[in-house]
Amino acid sequence: DTGVSQNPRHKITKRGQNVTFRCDPISEHNRLYWYRQTLGQGPEFLTYFQNEAQLEKSRLLSDRFSAERPKGSFSTLEIQRTEQGDSAMYLCASSSGTPGDTQYFGPGTRLTVL
Amino acid sequence: AQKVTQAQTEISVVEKEDVTLDCVYETRDTTYYLFWYKQPPSGELVFLIRRNSFDEQNEISGRYSWNFQKSTSSFNFTITASQVVDSAVYFCALSEAPTGGFKTIFGAGTRLFVKA
Repeated sequence: DTGVSQNPRHKITKRGQNVTFRCDPISEHNRLYWYRQTLGQGPEFLTYFQNEAQLEKSRLLSDRFSAERPKGSFSTLEIQRTEQGDSAMYLCASSSGTPGDTQYFGPGTRLTVL
Repeated sequence: AQKVTQAQTEISVVEKEDVTLDCVYETRDTTYYLFWYKQPPSGELVFLIRRNSFDEQNEISGRYSWNFQKSTSSFNFTITASQVVDSAVYFCALSEAPTGGFKTIFGAGTRLFVKA
C-alpha cells in the first residue's frame, strides 16, 4: 500500500506526559500537512512542510507542539506536557506540490489524554 | 478570510433517495480550489473531487455529481440513488493559495445517514 501511513493509530496518555506521532507520506509527495480534528468538527490546519522546511504554523499550534520533517520524508508531531484539551484525532496528509494539488490523508492518530 | 459553511449538520434519507449536500464558501482570491472529502465510520478522509475557480463545469461521476456556481459561492454535492454505503460524514474544503496545496479550510461536515 503506498498511501499515507500514521503511527500509532491510538494513543492513551496521562496529562503532563509527552507524546510523539509519526507520519509517512506518499513517497513522491513533497508537501506534508498536519491537522487536528475534534468530534463533530472538520479538520483544522496545524502546520505544513515543503520538503524539510516548515512553511506555516497555525496559531492553534501552541509552544507545546512541535513538528519536524528532518529529511523531507517522514514527519513527527510532538506534544509536550499534554492536556485534556489535546484529545483529538491528529491527521496527516501529503500532496505533490503542483498547483491546486489534492491532499491525501492518512488514517489518523487518535489521542486520548486522561 | 476563508470560510466554508455546511449548514446541514445531519441528513437522513432512505436508500435509493437522491440527496444534496450544500456547501457555501467565502474567499477574496480569484484563484482557489474546492474539494469534497468523505469520512466513513473507519475515520480516514477519502478524496472525492477537486475543482478550480476557473472551471464551473458541473461534473458527474457515477452516482455522484457536483454543481459549482461562482455567482452564489456554492459547491453542492448530489448523490443519486443513495446506498447504505454512502453513510458517512462529508466535508467541503477550500484552498485559496495561488500555488495551491496551501492550508485547506474545511467545513464542519454533514453527516449522512442512509437507511435500508
